Amino acid sequence: EVQLLESGGDLVQPGGSLRLSCGASGFMFSSYAMNWVRQAPGKGLEWVSSISGNGVSTHYAESVKGRFTISRDNSKKTVYLHMTSLRAEDTATYYCAKGMVHSYQVLDPVDFDYWGQGTLVTVSS
Amino acid sequence: EIVLTQSPATLSLSPGERATLSCRASQSVRNFLAWYQQKPGQAPRLLIYDASSRATGIPARFSGSGSGTDFTLTISSLEPEDFAVYYCQHRINWPHTFGQGTKLEIK
Repeated sequence: EVQLLESGGDLVQPGGSLRLSCGASGFMFSSYAMNWVRQAPGKGLEWVSSISGNGVSTHYAESVKGRFTISRDNSKKTVYLHMTSLRAEDTATYYCAKGMVHSYQVLDPVDFDYWGQGTLVTVSS
Repeated sequence: EIVLTQSPATLSLSPGERATLSCRASQSVRNFLAWYQQKPGQAPRLLIYDASSRATGIPARFSGSGSGTDFTLTISSLEPEDFAVYYCQHRINWPHTFGQGTKLEIK
């Protein structure tokens, strides 16, 4: 059974930093792209970032480019989102999601077939 | 950036009725269109991928159609558990954006 468990969400001041983690189990972790999607309170879904299976290729939404960094440790079956220069508009539930198809080297946009339950990030003074 | 516009914003129907949800893309996404369902307090769930393929474990009452710029999600006979918010998403290029969602509520 595929399971994704996010952690690391917290209340942080504007300009601060935070690192989210997502531990995975139930599938060959290194063979799949991993993704972060966020949802502001009462709002819709926004794709944030994706990383290939080998961790070499990454993509970011324009709204977070230069401030957020996605990475992964395949030995720990964990994907991370390091967030810096946080703003009030980054307040959201952050979901980790598994890419649907094998994606070890090449990173193409994929559908998300499994999602974690999310971790809440609140940026406020 | 491709913009996905969903309509209606809210759809009020009764259990047993047929639901038709629309997603229109600002430019062609071929058939690279997915639909997700999200219930309050839960993570989204993949329903349909590649416009018309049902994801694992999704009941047959859910179906998707369309290609290019116009897509439809149909729920043939609504069950009580189907009342939720539905999002479309494309994957033809980066960023693979979501639509703003359609809330399916009980009439």
